[in-house]
Amino acid sequence: KQEVTQIPAALSVPEGENLVLNCSFTDSAIYNLQWFRQDPGKGLTSLLLIQSSQREQTSGRLNASLDKSSGRSTLYIAASQPGDSATYLCAVRPSHGGSQGNLIFGKGTKLSVKP
Amino acid sequence: EAGVAQSPRYKIIEKRQSVAFWCNPISGHATLYWYQQILGQGPKLLIQFQNNGVVDDSQLPKDRFSAERLKGVDSTLKIQPAKLEDSAVYLCASSLGAHIGMNTEAFFGQGTRLTVV
Repeated sequence: KQEVTQIPAALSVPEGENLVLNCSFTDSAIYNLQWFRQDPGKGLTSLLLIQSSQREQTSGRLNASLDKSSGRSTLYIAASQPGDSATYLCAVRPSHGGSQGNLIFGKGTKLSVKP
Repeated sequence: EAGVAQSPRYKIIEKRQSVAFWCNPISGHATLYWYQQILGQGPKLLIQFQNNGVVDDSQLPKDRFSAERLKGVDSTLKIQPAKLEDSAVYLCASSLGAHIGMNTEAFFGQGTRLTVV
C-alpha cells in the first residue's frame, strides 16, 4: 500500500531564506508526483507536476525534484516571502500497468515565513 | 480559464441530517474526483468519475455517502445521515484524463467545509 510522508510537519523561517520541503513515498511505481499549496480555509493550488520520467520541474522561485528509485521528492523555495506561508502537500499518482491510481497525499508541511 | 467551482463554501448541520455538495469541473475535463480532508490530514479520495461512470469508489462509505455525475459534467455528493466524524472539508477536483499518456494534472476547487454538530 502506497504511503506518503512529509517532513517536517511544520517549519518556521525568516523572510529571505532558501528552504527545502521533503516528501517520501513507499512504492516507486508512480506515474507522477504533484506538489500543492493550501492556504487556510481554501482549496489546493497546483504548484508543480513531475512525471515519473523527469528529474525536476521549475516554476519561478520553486524547484521540485524527483528521485523515483529512492522514493523521494523535494520542493525547494528560493528567497522565501511571507506570502509563501501556507501548507504544502505532496501527492503521488500510482501507476498500475496501463491505468493510473488516484492521488495519494501526505499530511503536508505547514510553512510560516516571518517578516 | 474558469477553475473548479464548488458550493456551498460552508455548511453546518446537526447529526442525522442530510447534506449535498455540488461541483462543476473545468470545462472539458473528463475525470472528476471527490476528496475528504479531515483537519490536519491530507485529502483522501472518496470517489472518481470518468465522464459519467464511476472508476473508483472503494473508499466511499456507501451506507451514508452517495455521488452522481449524470451528464458527465457537474456532480453532487450527498451524505445521509451525517455523523459527527463527517466534519471535514470536501474537495472536488478535475483533470483532463486519468490514463497513461493523458494529462492527469489535477485542479481543485475551494472546497466545502462541513461541520456536523
